[in-house]
Amino acid sequence: DGGITQSPKYLFRKEGQNVTLSCEQNLNHDAMYWYRQDPGQGLRLIYYSQIVNDFQKGDIAEGYSVSREKKESFPLTVTSAQKNPTAFYLCASSPLGTRAVSTDTQYFGPGTRLTVL
Amino acid sequence: ELKVEQNPLFLSMQEGKNYTIYCNYSTTSDRLYWYRQDPGKSLESLFVLLSNGAVKQEGRLMASLDTKARLSTLHITAAVHDLSATYFCAVDKNYNNNDMRFGAGTRLTVKP
Repeated sequence: DGGITQSPKYLFRKEGQNVTLSCEQNLNHDAMYWYRQDPGQGLRLIYYSQIVNDFQKGDIAEGYSVSREKKESFPLTVTSAQKNPTAFYLCASSPLGTRAVSTDTQYFGPGTRLTVL
Repeated sequence: ELKVEQNPLFLSMQEGKNYTIYCNYSTTSDRLYWYRQDPGKSLESLFVLLSNGAVKQEGRLMASLDTKARLSTLHITAAVHDLSATYFCAVDKNYNNNDMRFGAGTRLTVKP
């Protein structure tokens, strides 16, 4: 089945640690995204990538890093510089369709819940 | 800067009643998305609205888009408990589905 997988489902981080969240998709989508969701709030964009070996910062990129070495993979590292990392992290992907006709949307993975101990 | 505002943020309804969720956005865009999120779960795409006047319906949910008013609505008809969830609208900032801005979400509770 085609879809997006994220791992782990739950992750605990100690102060000062870097942790990496995995995101894989087999939908053959060009674009991938990372969002952060805090309780009772909407999604905020951390990073996105339209093509392998290229990515752009979103609204809240500070304290995070990404890589896009393969089309199907877009891992997110939460560094020790991110002072308040406890949140629900969602990865998404989408095709880069023709705007005038495309009804494509972003497809979301199941999420990773990160907690700082 | 694109801002997306939803209201109400919390909505408690009786089963069988109708209600509308509103999504306003601040800059020109003619592509709007609605998503559903169950507690602790991911987002599920409901509707993609591509042009002014677009209307889409799925079961008890109907979404519309007025790009001139920069307003989308999600209308719920004869609500049932299974519709309890948080509903998000999102607006395409750069016209290419690569940079979306989300509203804060409307948490809907349908009571028997």
